[in-house]
Amino acid sequence: DGGITQSPKYLFRKEGQNVTLSCEQNLNHDAMYWYRQDPGQGLRLIYYSQIVNDFQKGDIAEGYSVSREKKESFPLTVTSAQKNPTAFYLCASSIDPNRDRRLAKNIQYFGAGTRLSVL
Amino acid sequence: RKEVEQDPGPFNVPEGATVAFNCTYSNSASQSFFWYRQDCRKEPKLLMSVYSSGNEDGRFTAQLNRASQYISLLIRDSKLSDSATYLCVVNTNTGNQFYFGTGTSLTVIP
Repeated sequence: DGGITQSPKYLFRKEGQNVTLSCEQNLNHDAMYWYRQDPGQGLRLIYYSQIVNDFQKGDIAEGYSVSREKKESFPLTVTSAQKNPTAFYLCASSIDPNRDRRLAKNIQYFGAGTRLSVL
Repeated sequence: RKEVEQDPGPFNVPEGATVAFNCTYSNSASQSFFWYRQDCRKEPKLLMSVYSSGNEDGRFTAQLNRASQYISLLIRDSKLSDSATYLCVVNTNTGNQFYFGTGTSLTVIP
């Protein structure tokens, strides 16, 4: 089945440790995104990538890093510089409408998320 | 000013009631509009896209008012299974960024 796969579902980080969250999609989507959601709050954009080997910072990029070496994959590293990493992390993807102007709607699809906690 | 604003609620309604949510957006260049549903501790899932002419999907009706820059979602004959958080989402296409409201919480009571 086509979709977005995030792993692991739960992750624990020790102080001073970097951890990497995986996001893989087989939808042939160009754009991929990482969001953070805190309890009772909305989604905040961390990073996004519209094309392989290119990505842009979102609203809360500090303490995070990403790479986009393959179209299917967009891993997120939560570095030790991120002092409050406990949150629900969501990966998403969408078709780039600039690539196909026939698209009426540019819909974003989400993975099941990773819950990160600090030990 | 936030890109997208929603009333967070919570909305507590009895089964069978009709409930409406509104959402406003600040960027007049926005081109695509959506309602997503998010269940507790789950990822958001697309409920419906919102078209300029308004659109209906069963008990759900979405409306877009470009002049006033707001989007609405109407749920008729509420079911217990409608209990969730409803997210308003706007996309400008040009930058391919999606802007999310903080969500409106709905609880349907037996």
